[in-house]
Amino acid sequence: QSVLTQPPSASGTPGQRVTISCSGSSSNIGSNYVYWYQQVPGTAPKVLIYRNNERPSGVPDRFSGSKSGTSASLAISGLRSEDEADYYCAAWDDSLSGYVFGTGTEVTVL
Amino acid sequence: QVQLVQSGAEVEKPGASVKVSCQASGYTFTGYYIHWVRQAPGHGLEWMGWINPNSGDTNYAQKFQGRVTMTRDTSITTAYMELSRLRSDDTAVYYCARGPKAVSGVVWAYNWFDPWGQGTLVTVSS
Repeated sequence: QSVLTQPPSASGTPGQRVTISCSGSSSNIGSNYVYWYQQVPGTAPKVLIYRNNERPSGVPDRFSGSKSGTSASLAISGLRSEDEADYYCAAWDDSLSGYVFGTGTEVTVL
Repeated sequence: QVQLVQSGAEVEKPGASVKVSCQASGYTFTGYYIHWVRQAPGHGLEWMGWINPNSGDTNYAQKFQGRVTMTRDTSITTAYMELSRLRSDDTAVYYCARGPKAVSGVVWAYNWFDPWGQGTLVTVSS
C-alpha cells in the first residue's frame, strides 16, 4: 500500500541518462522533503539523496534529485553497470503522521 | 563505524509472535532514534514506527498499532521489534535503521534513515 507512485522499471545503456519519477500529494511531497534510497538486490537500502537534492558523502555526483509541486525525480547520468538496483522515493506524510515510500523502480543497464 | 546488526531469520506459525533485535555500535545508542521498516517479498518498503532509545518513547504507524511493540535495552545497545498475531502477509524482511538525534523538537520531515541493518527475514507459515 505505497502512497508514492513510481514507474516499475527504467533502463538505459552505459553512459546514458535515466530519470525516475515519483508522484505524491500535497500531504507528502507537496509539503515535505523527498528522499531517495538505492537497494541492490539482496542487500539493505542505502540513502542516495536527502532533502530533495543533497548527496551524502560518497555518493557520486552522477546522481541528482529534484522536486516540483507534488512530484520528484531522480536522475542518473553516465549510467554504469553498478547502478543496476531498485530505487525508492520517500517522504514524511503530514496526514498519516508517518513516512511513506514509493512503489519502487527497477533500473536495468542494457 | 556506525553499524546495526540484526538477529537471524525466524519461522513462525500464524497467530504467534516474533521478536527481532537490532544491536547498534559505533555511536551513542541513546543519542539517536531507531526506525523499523519492512519489505514483503517482491514488494516495496513500509515504515512501521520508531523508538527513542533514550526515553523509550515510541510512535507506531497506524496500520501496526495494537500489534507491534518496540523496546530497547540500553545496557546492550539493542533495540527490539515484536510483532504479534502474525499472519501470512507479515512474511517480510524487517529492517532497523538509524534516525535523527534524539533531541526535543525533531522535525521528522527533515530526517532520513541511515544506516540500515542487514535485515531479518520473518516467514509466517503453518
